[in-house]
Amino acid sequence: DTAVSQTPKYLVTQMGNDKSIKCEQNLGHDTMYWYKQDSKKFLKIMFSYNNKELIINETVPNRFSPKSPDKAHLNLHINSLELGDSAVYFCASSHRYTEAFFGQGTRLTVV
Amino acid sequence: GDSVTQMEGPVTLSEEAFLTINCTYTATGYPSLFWYVQYPGEGLQLLLKATKADDKGSNKGFEATYRKETTSFHLEKGSVQVSDSAVYFCALSDGRRNTDKLIFGTGTRLQVFP
Repeated sequence: DTAVSQTPKYLVTQMGNDKSIKCEQNLGHDTMYWYKQDSKKFLKIMFSYNNKELIINETVPNRFSPKSPDKAHLNLHINSLELGDSAVYFCASSHRYTEAFFGQGTRLTVV
Repeated sequence: GDSVTQMEGPVTLSEEAFLTINCTYTATGYPSLFWYVQYPGEGLQLLLKATKADDKGSNKGFEATYRKETTSFHLEKGSVQVSDSAVYFCALSDGRRNTDKLIFGTGTRLQVFP
């Protein structure tokens, strides 16, 4: 069983569109995260949720909106996509602030 | 703020060579330290961790020791294989609720040739 799963794995879309990435974890963890990896492989936190409550919201454009319907799911919705949003987005989860487990990533390409 | 610095890559080695990837950190408090590995086209996998000073993390022949006096967590392996070719990330976490996040270094690409 996949511990942290994201869909889709690849997403190609045009500028101005709205898209969502879904994430689910079956580890029973209480905290979930979104990280962004840019073209130079640099990884940076975007959001974290603990028990469905938003804890960390880094300086991310408000076109990005996370939604956590329950502890096992954290989705990322992006409005009005821009070229600069092209990146790999990783979902992760952890329990009681221990090590994080990552999904396979979603490669978003905006054309 | 907290930060992680790791050596620039790529690191190119022949099979069975000794590997060191340097990592130093800046943090207030007592962070946990991690090494993650990213194989081509895949997500990040935890390679090893250490949660307090002088702890040694180890896995798959890789080791790293949490050195508070030098604020370092260097990754080592005695004999690398072609299958170790990947990008390695050093990271820290302060493990506190409102600031719990991983802060990553820039990653170091390792290429191992037969």
